[in-house]
Amino acid sequence: AQTVTQSQPEMSVQEAETVTLSCTYDTSESDYYLFWYKQPPSRQMILVIRQEAYKQQNATENRFSVNFQKAAKSFSLKISDSQLGDAAMYFCAYRSPNNQAGTALIFGKGTTLSVSS
Amino acid sequence: GAGVSQSPSNKVTEKGKDVELRCDPISGHTALYWYRQSLGQGLEFLIYFQGNSAPDKSGLPSDRFSAERTGGSVSTLTIQRTQQEDSAVYLCASSQQVRYEQYFGPGTRLTVT
Repeated sequence: AQTVTQSQPEMSVQEAETVTLSCTYDTSESDYYLFWYKQPPSRQMILVIRQEAYKQQNATENRFSVNFQKAAKSFSLKISDSQLGDAAMYFCAYRSPNNQAGTALIFGKGTTLSVSS
Repeated sequence: GAGVSQSPSNKVTEKGKDVELRCDPISGHTALYWYRQSLGQGLEFLIYFQGNSAPDKSGLPSDRFSAERTGGSVSTLTIQRTQQEDSAVYLCASSQQVRYEQYFGPGTRLTVT
């Protein structure tokens, strides 16, 4: 069975600085999808970024980028130029491939990010 | 367009009562998921619907939990004879058939007293 581990329960960063959130996973599958979701106090889970395992290029979305190391089974999230609105809980998630979008996400325990001014 | 909606936002119920939680997925999304988020267990998959296929119930924690999806759209998660350990946030998500991102609703916070 696949597992996702986030080893940092809490992280903090100052505005405009850069922070990296760690995620490792365990799987025997060669093709899969990885995601970072953000959950602010409103509870709404928001997709931040996704990565297909077959793509070597790291995904980037504006200030958010990932460092995907397939051999090491590592998928870290880098947030550049941090803003107060980035404060939230961040979840790393794994999904097996299924062309009918039919498999559930496996989540890590989450990392609470606080941003100070 | 409209996102995934869930109702009620919060629900307080007495131990032993039945509750129903509702999810309206994004229009056109064929896949619908229920997850439970609790302090001790993190985010857990409960059940998944894909079109008219039989649902994947592999994540349901007990036979007190059931769900249905009517007309391939709205879904209802029912918890019978609620227990205090059922207290959690119940999240619903939907996705398109050929894409992989799941879009989440705001969740229902269930408190069993």
